[in-house]
Amino acid sequence: AQSVSQHNHHVILSEAASLELGCNYSYGGTVNLFWYVQYPGQHLQLLLKYFSGDPLVKGIKGFEAEFIKSKFSFNLRKPSVQWSDTAEYFCAVNGDGGKLIFGQGTELSVKP
Amino acid sequence: NAGVTQTPKFRILKIGQSMTLQCAQDMNHNYMYWYRQDPGMGLKLIYYSVGAGITDKGEVPNGYNVSRSTTEDFPLRLELAAPSQTSVYFCASSVVGPSSYEQYFGPGTRLTVT
Repeated sequence: AQSVSQHNHHVILSEAASLELGCNYSYGGTVNLFWYVQYPGQHLQLLLKYFSGDPLVKGIKGFEAEFIKSKFSFNLRKPSVQWSDTAEYFCAVNGDGGKLIFGQGTELSVKP
Repeated sequence: NAGVTQTPKFRILKIGQSMTLQCAQDMNHNYMYWYRQDPGMGLKLIYYSVGAGITDKGEVPNGYNVSRSTTEDFPLRLELAAPSQTSVYFCASSVVGPSSYEQYFGPGTRLTVT
């Protein structure tokens, strides 16, 4: 069965620190991978997505993610976080029948 | 476009009461989904629909029902509310194709059952 695992439940960083959030997936077919962000009190918004081609994907607000097929990973990175990046981040992989399988989420707290 | 809209934003129910959470989208998406979000648990799929008249169970369907009479609307019904259904509910929609699984989310409904 498809699954997504996010290694960190809660990450606390100071502003300007670098960020890397881990995501591993299991899926036997062609993967489409996503990172969504949920700012406090808001709904999920797409940060970036990978369908095919260049495994390094750039998204909004300076985020990027790298698809490493051999490691079944799709880690999210940002070189320098800001206080406004405080949010919960969800990794997702396509499942059967148009569904998305979400990870448990990683809560990021950025201290000013 | 309004995107995906949900009503109400907040609701408090007593145990055993019923209610319908409304969801509508104006993007002509064929797929629609209902999720619940609980702290530390990510999003769990309750029901989904691949088009008008077609619905199917997700991971956690017990205690819920759905219908899809039009492309635009996908209401979620709770028949006998239980405290375990206290959660935040998100509706989403998408166009599913060879290179498109992106889902668009509504603002959510925060439901408390006491």
